[in-house]
Amino acid sequence: ETGVTQTPRHLVMGMTNKKSLKCEQHLGHNAMYWYKQSAKKPLELMFVYSLEERVENNSVPSRFSPECPNSSHLFLHLHTLQPEDSALYLCASSQLAGPTDTQYFGPGTRLTVL
Amino acid sequence: AQTVTQSQPEMSVQEAETVTLSCTYDTSESDYYLFWYKQPPSRQMILVIRQEAYKQQNATENRFSVNFQKAAKSFSLKISDSQLGDAAMYFCAYRGYSGGGADGLTFGKGTHLIIQP
Repeated sequence: ETGVTQTPRHLVMGMTNKKSLKCEQHLGHNAMYWYKQSAKKPLELMFVYSLEERVENNSVPSRFSPECPNSSHLFLHLHTLQPEDSALYLCASSQLAGPTDTQYFGPGTRLTVL
Repeated sequence: AQTVTQSQPEMSVQEAETVTLSCTYDTSESDYYLFWYKQPPSRQMILVIRQEAYKQQNATENRFSVNFQKAAKSFSLKISDSQLGDAAMYFCAYRGYSGGGADGLTFGKGTHLIIQP
């Protein structure tokens, strides 16, 4: 595997389910990000992890719970979601090597909440 | 807070022609970075080009170039010799400079680029 991978690619869940999204980066980066892409809004930053510590939580509801066990893996745990949470969830990673670090994105997980 | 505005929801261009996508942004910071990302139907977000605000020279990457006007807070993308594979959503994005720390990107709403054969 190369780049940033995300699993599953598609997920359908009920409002009472608990599920997790997984992101793995194979680029040796040390920062990871979750973004939400809804149909009618610009991409929204959700969480930022730097050196495995959460450095930003962009006012995301607690039904979304991120986890970064090491620099290569990032999870988004989902619980009691609402239909409006249906979206494409994108993971990205970057190397904190200086001011021009570039974020590389995974293919996304398409989430549908019924 | 920073905002990024892409005023063209959709653009269409003939194959082999040149097209320019517009982007304006609002910020009070003096150091920052601007990016253009491409998202084809596969949904994979791909970096097209980036520009450091402290650099006066406009960035270029093969057929892609930018016109960065810092005073006007404008960052347009020019695609020369358009190809069918350029068809995609194009997003303009802003990132502030925090001394090498991790910062999220602020995105515009995107421009859907159609390439006419």
